[in-house]
Amino acid sequence: GAGVSQSPRYKVAKRGQDVALRCDPISGHVSLFWYQQALGQGPEFLTYFQNEAQLDKSGLPSDRFFAERPEGSVSTLKIQRTQQEDSAVYLCASSPSPGRGYTFGSGTRLTVV
Amino acid sequence: AQSVSQHNHHVILSEAASLELGCNYSYGGTVNLFWYVQYPGQHLQLLLKYFSGDPLVKGIKGFEAEFIKSKFSFNLRKPSVQWSDTAEYFCAVIGNQAGTALIFGKGTTLSVSS
Repeated sequence: GAGVSQSPRYKVAKRGQDVALRCDPISGHVSLFWYQQALGQGPEFLTYFQNEAQLDKSGLPSDRFFAERPEGSVSTLKIQRTQQEDSAVYLCASSPSPGRGYTFGSGTRLTVV
Repeated sequence: AQSVSQHNHHVILSEAASLELGCNYSYGGTVNLFWYVQYPGQHLQLLLKYFSGDPLVKGIKGFEAEFIKSKFSFNLRKPSVQWSDTAEYFCAVIGNQAGTALIFGKGTTLSVSS
């Protein structure tokens, strides 16, 4: 597609529920990034893939967060046993090569109740 | 570790006023620099970017930014703001080698009154 597509757009989860957030990057983009944006804050880096390899997961806040990109295209961010502090917008971005400009998706707004 | 600092949390201007948003970064190598804008309810959009060459970069919608290497700064400017510029502005930096991620500042909210 023309842009980065994320689904669902909105997700309400009960505390303790597992959620899976999907990102379809721009076709051919090698690099894929996940960010977490809390209300009133800048995006915070979570993890980075180059093709199917997860090169950096230093930003994942806990072991409840897991990301994968098994075939080097679509990526899924999974959050297990969601907590209220996980409520945020989760952004996905892709880039044709490392260090270059990113294209961001519209994000998934996760609300944990 | 790299970091980005945006000096102003909230800026309030009248239409036609000039704008300058400060951005300083900390990184021990060559960087690429970006300004993104997020209009209410919309996703992040790239305003402008600097990779190399002329340190004065022009972007969309009349915005420009100047990279001053000695000051580790990349301030965003616009000579005359419009009501439609009301948005959140994020400065971001990335090292230009593989394996580094884009790091954002906390953002500056710009409110323009007509």
